[in-house]
Amino acid sequence: GAGVSQSPSNKVTEKGKDVELRCDPISGHTALYWYRQSLGQGLEFLIYFQGNSAPDKSGLPSDRFSAERTGGSVSTLTIQRTQQEDSAVYLCASDLSGGNTGELFFGEGSRLTVL
Amino acid sequence: RKEVEQDPGPFNVPEGATVAFNCTYSNSASQSFFWYRQDCRKEPKLLMSVYSSGNEDGRFTAQLNRASQYISLLIRDSKLSDSATYLCVVERGDYKLSFGAGTTVTVRA
Repeated sequence: GAGVSQSPSNKVTEKGKDVELRCDPISGHTALYWYRQSLGQGLEFLIYFQGNSAPDKSGLPSDRFSAERTGGSVSTLTIQRTQQEDSAVYLCASDLSGGNTGELFFGEGSRLTVL
Repeated sequence: RKEVEQDPGPFNVPEGATVAFNCTYSNSASQSFFWYRQDCRKEPKLLMSVYSSGNEDGRFTAQLNRASQYISLLIRDSKLSDSATYLCVVERGDYKLSFGAGTTVTVRA
């Protein structure tokens, strides 16, 4: 498809396990973002990629969170030793110009539940 | 203080009614503003940009008040399909967009 693709759409895991969330942005979009949305909360910025580099990792909540992007395309968000407070919808978005237009194209998200 | 604050609602209105709501932002240096729409358990999508002079897109009107640091959205002649959560979005600078928690609108028949 032509949109941003995320997998898995749903993930249930046990506390302490590691999880990997994948994002496949729109082809040609150089900017890629990860956000987190908890129930009743606004989208929380996690990390931004321009190409393969991440000039801003300031939103990552702890060192258990990491992300990488390869080939200027697919990105993986990894959460190690998951905690219950990590439960949320993790949204990936991409755009052409690094936020200048304000239009981010979001995937449908990965809903993470940590038991 | 949150960067972007919104009344969570919900705003329950009958079809055909007008509904309006605001959001406030804390960073006076913000330059760009947007409204996104998010349907239940779906991803956010850009509804419209907000320009300094105010702008309309069909039944939707957005306004910006820089002096008071608030943005408004007005929906005229509400349709059932307008039921959604509306996210106020402010560009912090460079590439970062700050999202409000959203205002929920429910249009009833």
